[in-house]
Amino acid sequence: GENVEQHPSTLSVQEGDSAVIKCTYSDSASNYFPWYKQELGKRPQLIIDIRSNVGEKKDQRIAVTLNKTAKHFSLHITETQPEDSAVYFCAASRVGGADGLTFGKGTHLIIQP
Amino acid sequence: DARVTQTPRHKVTEMGQEVTMRCQPILGHNTVFWYRQTMMQGLELLAYFRNRAPLDDSGMPKDRFSAEMPDATLATLKIQPSEPRDSAVYFCASGFEAGEAFFGQGTRLTVV
Repeated sequence: GENVEQHPSTLSVQEGDSAVIKCTYSDSASNYFPWYKQELGKRPQLIIDIRSNVGEKKDQRIAVTLNKTAKHFSLHITETQPEDSAVYFCAASRVGGADGLTFGKGTHLIIQP
Repeated sequence: DARVTQTPRHKVTEMGQEVTMRCQPILGHNTVFWYRQTMMQGLELLAYFRNRAPLDDSGMPKDRFSAEMPDATLATLKIQPSEPRDSAVYFCASGFEAGEAFFGQGTRLTVV
């Protein structure tokens, strides 16, 4: 089955700086890569996703890049704000496959004022 | 604002008791997932349904866990008998075959 590795486990950045979280996946058949944000005590919420037919996707201050050859994808947050503090999870799946989303272990992002 | 609804939100039970968690997926979604979240293991997939048919329950301890979808508006996850190691937050999520999964608020289970 799929295996997703996520780094770093904790990331502390100054407010206004950029943050980058990286994930690798093992199954070359995976073609859908979402990112979730989870605040303390809340549900994981989908913030952005990318499919294997594109290399980059942006939505305001967040962007995701995908390198299919290297089986690597990343989340980029620019101009970080205190409300960006949360745990971020990457995931991978094969659309239409029999497996569900496989998640990374999460990155605790801390925005320092 | 359509949301996945889970009940109960919190459950404290004694070891050996049966626990049933319920999930109402978003109307029109055809995939339903059950995940368990713990600090040590993160988000683990327990069961996955598409069009109410179970596709993958390999992550679920079969001797004590069972998952069903009696109809398109209800998914259930049962633990019998419960054990302290089952203490976790259990999330239900629903989506379409395109891949997106939208999570419910979770059931925080404590087995004492």
